Amino acid sequence: QITLKESGPTLVKPTQTLTLTCTFSGFSLNTDGVGVGWIRQPPGKALEWLALIYRNDDKRYNPSLKNRLTITKDTSRNQVVLTMTNLDPVDTGTYYCVYRPVNRPADYWGQGTLVTVSS
Amino acid sequence: DIQMTQSPSSLSASVGDRVTITCRASQGISSWLAWYQQKPEKAPKPLIYGASNLQSGVPSRFSGSGSGTYFTLTISSLQPEDFATYYCQQYSVYPLTFGGGTRVEIK
Repeated sequence: QITLKESGPTLVKPTQTLTLTCTFSGFSLNTDGVGVGWIRQPPGKALEWLALIYRNDDKRYNPSLKNRLTITKDTSRNQVVLTMTNLDPVDTGTYYCVYRPVNRPADYWGQGTLVTVSS
Repeated sequence: DIQMTQSPSSLSASVGDRVTITCRASQGISSWLAWYQQKPEKAPKPLIYGASNLQSGVPSRFSGSGSGTYFTLTISSLQPEDFATYYCQQYSVYPLTFGGGTRVEIK
């Protein structure tokens, strides 16, 4: 059974850095072609893909946020970490961790974690 | 970036109705198109991948079609549990992009 769970702060101040951790089970990031990534959703708005990392440490970022995002993995701990710098209130939303099997879209999603950016 | 445009943005329908949602890509994506269903306060649920392949456990009243730049999601007979917001997503090239969503409401 594949599961993913997001963890991190629920409230962050503007200009601060957000660090979110995705802890997963039921698959291995040691498999070629599979990836773990992040998608977010501001309240009442559409989904926005942020970043994804593959087994070989290939990383893909949303260009609109690229300079602010860093994605890393700890394969031994089955974790993927997303760091976003210089937070702004517009970054408020639910952040989802997703698993992308080979040649498939985001087939598995975590429950999401709501992050509020406010002073 | 590839832009994904869904229409309509919302619709009202009755139980038993046939509902079709369209999704257009700003450039060709072959069949690298997925559909998701999202209910309030829940994570999106994958429905379809490869434009027309149902995810495991998804009822057969859902179907997808299309290739290139034009895609559709059809619900053949709307059920009470189908009232939700639906999103398309292209996974042909990075950055992966989503449509703006279609909210299906009860008439």
